[in-house]
Amino acid sequence: DGGITQSPKYLFRKEGQNVTLSCEQNLNHDAMYWYRQDPGQGLRLIYYSQIVNDFQKGDIAEGYSVSREKKESFPLTVTSAQKNPTAFYLCASSEDGSGRTDTQYFGPGTRLTVL
Amino acid sequence: GQSLEQPSEVTAVEGAIVQINCTYQTSGFYGLSWYQQHDGGAPTFLSYNALDGLEETGRFSSFLSRSDSYGYLLLQELQMKDSASYFCAVRSDTGRRALTFGSGTRLQVQP
Repeated sequence: DGGITQSPKYLFRKEGQNVTLSCEQNLNHDAMYWYRQDPGQGLRLIYYSQIVNDFQKGDIAEGYSVSREKKESFPLTVTSAQKNPTAFYLCASSEDGSGRTDTQYFGPGTRLTVL
Repeated sequence: GQSLEQPSEVTAVEGAIVQINCTYQTSGFYGLSWYQQHDGGAPTFLSYNALDGLEETGRFSSFLSRSDSYGYLLLQELQMKDSASYFCAVRSDTGRRALTFGSGTRLQVQP
């Protein structure tokens, strides 16, 4: 079955530690995205990538970093510079980011808690 | 920049019809999408409008008026399983090729 996987589902980290969230898709999509969702809020764009080896900052990129070395993978690193990292992180993909509908398919999410 | 406004909460009873409105401001406009998210789950795509008018998909319909920068999601024959958050999202046709989401409308369906 095609889809997007994120791991782990729950993640705990201590303040001052970097942590990397995994996102893998086997939909053969060119575009991938990372969103942050806080309780009762909408989705805010952290980073997105239209194609391998290229990515762009979203609205709240400070304190985060990404890489896109493979088409199917778009890991997100939450660095110690992120002031308030506790949130629900969602990864998504779409066919090419320039298509008519831009339908995005989401992974199950990673809930990050900073202790 | 882009911004979207939608009501924070809506309550309705089973079998009823409910409309969730969305107004948007964007420097360019490519289309309006709607996504559903159950508590703790991932958003799933519901519908998309690029042109004015109504798009129907089963019990769900979505409407767009580009001149009014306004759209709505219409849910008919409400079921308990429709209790979820609903997000409208826009994509600008200038610059950034990514969606901007509204804050979401939490729909509570009561028996």
